[in-house]
Amino acid sequence: AQKITQTQPGMFVQEKEAVTLDCTYDTSDPSYGLFWYKQPSSGEMIFLIYQGSYDQQNATEGRYSLNFQKARKSANLVISASQLGDSAMYFCAMREGRLAGGGADGLTFGKGTHLIIQP
Amino acid sequence: DAGVIQSPRHEVTEMGQEVTLRCKPISGHNSLFWYRQTMMRGLELLIYFNNNVPIDDSGMPEDRFSAKMPNASFSTLKIQPSEPRDSAVYFCASSFEQPQHFGDGTRLSIL
Repeated sequence: AQKITQTQPGMFVQEKEAVTLDCTYDTSDPSYGLFWYKQPSSGEMIFLIYQGSYDQQNATEGRYSLNFQKARKSANLVISASQLGDSAMYFCAMREGRLAGGGADGLTFGKGTHLIIQP
Repeated sequence: DAGVIQSPRHEVTEMGQEVTLRCKPISGHNSLFWYRQTMMRGLELLIYFNNNVPIDDSGMPEDRFSAKMPNASFSTLKIQPSEPRDSAVYFCASSFEQPQHFGDGTRLSIL
């Protein structure tokens, strides 16, 4: 089974509208983290937002917010007031577990959603 | 602050040749990751290091791939011998806890 599922291969949205990008995840680990990255056509990977499994509040970063529904295992990204520059691939990713003694673990990525903002 | 620096940005070589990709993580970060991105398989974790020690290399496709981190400021990913199916974008990322910060990637083409 896929650990990260992004069901929207592509989306077209009008400029200034809000956008919700779907992400569901699968893990049996009680400690995990969820991430969203943006990859514009230039190819770089840009970190957007992070949600820890024990965080009580949904994460927000400027125009980005993460709609975290733990029981449903979903971590949807919401972009408010979309802009032309938001056109890009968006990847949801998960980190499972914690290493004893600290350190970070590798990420498992979804297949991505190609978002196109239309004027 | 300088981000993660990868070199080269682009590499085109013939199959059978040795390829070495280089990465300089962000100063102060104690974890380093190598990922590969292809159209068919998406983004895959190849290997990662914590405090210069390899933790998980289960994503390395086969023995032709090897990675080292001789010190906190440098890592290499080597493919020997290279094959056309190794063509991909290879990303290096580093972190101190969360999140991971990615370099701009190396676009590798094996002819």
